[in-house]
Amino acid sequence: QKEVEQNSGPLSVPEGAIASLNCTYSDRGSQSFFWYRQYSGKSPELIMFIYSNGDKEDGRFTAQLNKASQYVSLLIRDSQPSDSATYLCAVLPILSGGYNKLIFGAGTRLAVHP
Amino acid sequence: KAGVTQTPRYLIKTRGQQVTLSCSPISGHRSVSWYQQTPGQGLQFLFEYFSETQRNKGNFPGRFSGRQFSNSRSEMNVSTLELGDSALYLCASSLAKGTPDRELFFGEGSRLTVL
Repeated sequence: QKEVEQNSGPLSVPEGAIASLNCTYSDRGSQSFFWYRQYSGKSPELIMFIYSNGDKEDGRFTAQLNKASQYVSLLIRDSQPSDSATYLCAVLPILSGGYNKLIFGAGTRLAVHP
Repeated sequence: KAGVTQTPRYLIKTRGQQVTLSCSPISGHRSVSWYQQTPGQGLQFLFEYFSETQRNKGNFPGRFSGRQFSNSRSEMNVSTLELGDSALYLCASSLAKGTPDRELFFGEGSRLTVL
């Protein structure tokens, strides 16, 4: 079992719709969770982080965390073609010693079509 | 404010050679992490340096090594290159404040092709 799992996609949604990206993780003691966006040929950039159960909203993006189910998701409202990218889920495991050893999922490719 | 700078951006090597990649973090950032990105394995953690000390290491063979200088710039070296080392090597810097929100700022990467 991979430590962080994501559906590779592609996830295709029409412009203006809600895109829902999901991620599960195996380390129950994981403490922090991150969503990165990576455009083709570019480096990853942080969209959001979350470390408490529940929802966290930032503009069109909402991160949801359920530690009991070991599940984190990212919702993108009013999806735009410019949101088309690969979305990487990353987890900071408890054994990382509090440092920057993030464990990344393989990423979900999102395609927003006009 | 300048971002994370990685050099070289592209390089081609042959099996058995060695390679050194360089990373200059954002000014004021003291933590530098290295990741390998391949289509099959995704982003995998190599190691992290803070104040010239390696404080975390991923599951890579000893052919992969790194160091950090007093100005926080970092280098990673791969010796005896194998075909499977072909990848995008990403460097990321952070403030390493010790808080949960460990935002990593990634460089554009060094794309290594091993022939």
